[in-house]
Amino acid sequence: ELKVEQNPLFLSMQEGKNYTIYCNYSTTSDRLYWYRQDPGKSLESLFVLLSNGAVKQEGRLMASLDTKARLSTLHITAAVHDLSATYFCAVKNTGNQFYFGTGTSLTVIP
Amino acid sequence: KAGVTQTPRYLIKTRGQQVTLSCSPISGHRSVSWYQQTPGQGLQFLFEYFSETQRNKGNFPGRFSGRQFSNSRSEMNVSTLELGDSALYLCASSLATSGGKETQYFGPGTRLLVL
Repeated sequence: ELKVEQNPLFLSMQEGKNYTIYCNYSTTSDRLYWYRQDPGKSLESLFVLLSNGAVKQEGRLMASLDTKARLSTLHITAAVHDLSATYFCAVKNTGNQFYFGTGTSLTVIP
Repeated sequence: KAGVTQTPRYLIKTRGQQVTLSCSPISGHRSVSWYQQTPGQGLQFLFEYFSETQRNKGNFPGRFSGRQFSNSRSEMNVSTLELGDSALYLCASSLATSGGKETQYFGPGTRLLVL
């Protein structure tokens, strides 16, 4: 079974700082997804990464994919309070099943 | 365009009962997937339906079943409820184009509490 690990699980960062969330997965896949979930809410799609070396950016968030290392990163630049949420990565296996990471709970403090 | 809707939003059942949850996808979306989210196990894939056929299934017991109708609306059923079935059940729809490029759009979820 495909395993997806995220770290850190919890992240508290000051406004204006940069940080990176890591997502490792255990088997070959070239489809990786990032989602955001606010407390008590559903998931919102952030990025879809479909090839080795793919990089996507939206505002203060940038996601990248290295399929050879089986690693994706979500980089946060100059964090603001509105980015406080839980971030999930998910990988689709060859059988088209989604496997989600454990989530990273991000708190941005003034 | 209306988003993914799920009904009911909250549900309380007792052990041994059964429950049916409903999901209406975004208009034009033919794929509907179901997920269970719990604090202990995180987000787990239940199954995916496409054109009224179950296309993929996660590692859940047979008590969990689903179906999809011709209008792409989907239902999932859990029979003989157990305490451990208490969870947030999320439905997601997508266009399901070839190559897996599609983005999933999630509904607000149904929060099920089993007493």
